[in-house]
Amino acid sequence: QSALTQPASVSGSPGQSITISCTGTSSDVGGYNYVSWYQQHPGKAPKLMIYDVSKRPSGVSNRFSGSKSGNTASLTISGLQAEDEADYYCCSYAGSSTFVFGTGTKVTVL
Amino acid sequence: QVQLVQSGAEVKKPGASVKVSCKASGYTFTSYGISWVRQAPGQGLEWMGWISAYNGNTNYAQKLQGRVTMTTDTSTSTAYMELRSLRSDDTAVYYCATSSGYSFDYWGQGTLVTVSS
Repeated sequence: QSALTQPASVSGSPGQSITISCTGTSSDVGGYNYVSWYQQHPGKAPKLMIYDVSKRPSGVSNRFSGSKSGNTASLTISGLQAEDEADYYCCSYAGSSTFVFGTGTKVTVL
Repeated sequence: QVQLVQSGAEVKKPGASVKVSCKASGYTFTSYGISWVRQAPGQGLEWMGWISAYNGNTNYAQKLQGRVTMTTDTSTSTAYMELRSLRSDDTAVYYCATSSGYSFDYWGQGTLVTVSS
């Protein structure tokens, strides 16, 4: 199972919007509506930000949104804030009770 | 509130085994599965496998089949992950996380396992 492909880094100024892509195949991202996104600050455990492609857990800011088209899922952060600077990982169900993570994207707030 | 508290850091020699624990609180333990995810130093996240806390069913990542065993003790609301025949590339932070559907909802603080001779 190959890791999903994410850009290594994305940056933006405070207040701007950025989008992180997550490209897989028809066996994972394209085959199921079970993409999730995780935020990880340095030295901390990951935190669930989006599940089932576009659903937000309770307590997660509505500045975070998710979508999917074909084999590519996306996470958009609007109104970028300094606290959003972190690593972000996508994850997709890949069938047969297995999961695959993305390669990770470092978000920098300029 | 849901909390997962993991056991402390371990240092192991190549070829040895390690068993990491993950004690859950704040919810009915058998309601969710537990997944294990690891992260090598400076690297990304890797899904290792999943266990149902309800009936003990497991599913492991293909690359770890034969070396990993996940178990639960419902009497103490604790999940365990044992990895055998350790190699240097098993050096990583190991996380447990609750799985209520197709995502990893709540995470433990992580356990650093270092494999070194």
